Amino acid sequence: AQSVTQPDIHITVSEGASLELRCNYSYGATPYLFWYVQSPGQGLQLLLKYFSGDTLVQGIKGFEAEFKRSQSSFNLRKPSVHWSDAAEYFCAVGKTGANNLFFGTGTRLTVIP
Amino acid sequence: KAGVTQTPRYLIKTRGQQVTLSCSPISGHRSVSWYQQTPGQGLQFLFEYFSETQRNKGNFPGRFSGRQFSNSRSEMNVSTLELGDSALYLCASSRQGTIDEQYFGPGTRLTVT
Repeated sequence: AQSVTQPDIHITVSEGASLELRCNYSYGATPYLFWYVQSPGQGLQLLLKYFSGDTLVQGIKGFEAEFKRSQSSFNLRKPSVHWSDAAEYFCAVGKTGANNLFFGTGTRLTVIP
Repeated sequence: KAGVTQTPRYLIKTRGQQVTLSCSPISGHRSVSWYQQTPGQGLQFLFEYFSETQRNKGNFPGRFSGRQFSNSRSEMNVSTLELGDSALYLCASSRQGTIDEQYFGPGTRLTVT
């Protein structure tokens, strides 16, 4: 069965600082991995996805993530955080043949000026 | 292109009542998935419909049901509402039935009193 762990419930960073949000997954086969962002009262917006190929994937809003099979990780990074990045971030894993995602518990990002 | 729309956005119901939520996917998308989001359980998959057929179902009681129409619009129904059904219900659409990017709607906030 799939599962996703986001070990950090809440992270606070200063505007302009770099960011890394951690995600570890458990899945027997090749995982399909996603990062979504949710602003208060909103739905989820897809930041990026990994299906296959290059393990470093670029997404929207300047985010990138790196798939590391040996560590079962798919960490999200951004070199310089903006105040508008404050939101909740979810890592998710899916499997082929189905459109049901298993989500982590989320990491809430606070950005201080 | 219009995004995923969900109606109503907010709903207040009483225990024991039933409720129907509606989701209109992005034009051309044939897969619709439903998720429940609560502070305690996080994001949980309810079910997925593709071409009017339920393809996957999460671990929810039979009080939760859904359907999809020929135009890909989907509805979910919850009968005999319980206080614990209070949640944000999110709908997501995808172009195809295999693992694909899912685009989420803004959600319906259901409060059961």
